Amino acid sequence: AQSVAQPEDQVNVAEGNPLTVKCTYSVSGNPYLFWYVQYPNRGLQFLLKYITGDNLVKGSYGFEAEFNKSQTSFHLKKPSALVSDSALYFCAVRDMANDYKLSFGAGTTVTVRA
Amino acid sequence: EAGVAQSPRYKIIEKRQSVAFWCNPISGHATLYWYQQILGQGPKLLIQFQNNGVVDDSQLPKDRFSAERLKGVDSTLKIQPAKLEDSAVYLCASSQGGETYNSPLHFGNGTRLTVT
Repeated sequence: AQSVAQPEDQVNVAEGNPLTVKCTYSVSGNPYLFWYVQYPNRGLQFLLKYITGDNLVKGSYGFEAEFNKSQTSFHLKKPSALVSDSALYFCAVRDMANDYKLSFGAGTTVTVRA
Repeated sequence: EAGVAQSPRYKIIEKRQSVAFWCNPISGHATLYWYQQILGQGPKLLIQFQNNGVVDDSQLPKDRFSAERLKGVDSTLKIQPAKLEDSAVYLCASSQGGETYNSPLHFGNGTRLTVT
């Protein structure tokens, strides 16, 4: 069975500081990894994905994520956080062994203070 | 392109009543999903359609939940009768589907259901 873990319920950072949101996964085969962001009273918005190739992927709004196969991690990063980045972030994974069903982590609430 | 449309945005009902949610996916997207998002948890897949056929409904409580996607476009999700634990946000999403498993999902803004 596949699973996704986001070990931090909340992340608090000051504006201008680096932001990291952690994600680890467990799958039987090769993972397809995704990050989504959810603003209050809105649906989830796609940020970026890792399918294959370069371990560092870049996405929307200046976010990037690094795939680390040995540590089974896919942490989301932003070099300089903005107050507007405050939101709920979800990591998600698919793999062939689980019929490519998309499984979401529980989410991490990011608060960026001015 | 227009996004995924959902209605209503909010719904308050009493337990044992019925409720229905509507979703219109992005034009041309073959795959449609209904997710349940309980406060403090990640979205949980209820049902997935490929065109108008059901691909996965393994986590749909079929004794009270039903969904259909007539003509492979719009979809409705129904709960009858509702329970207190059904209070959640119901998200509809669509994707290009088929073999494009790397395609991201596009979500609507959801329907927030409160069962009292």
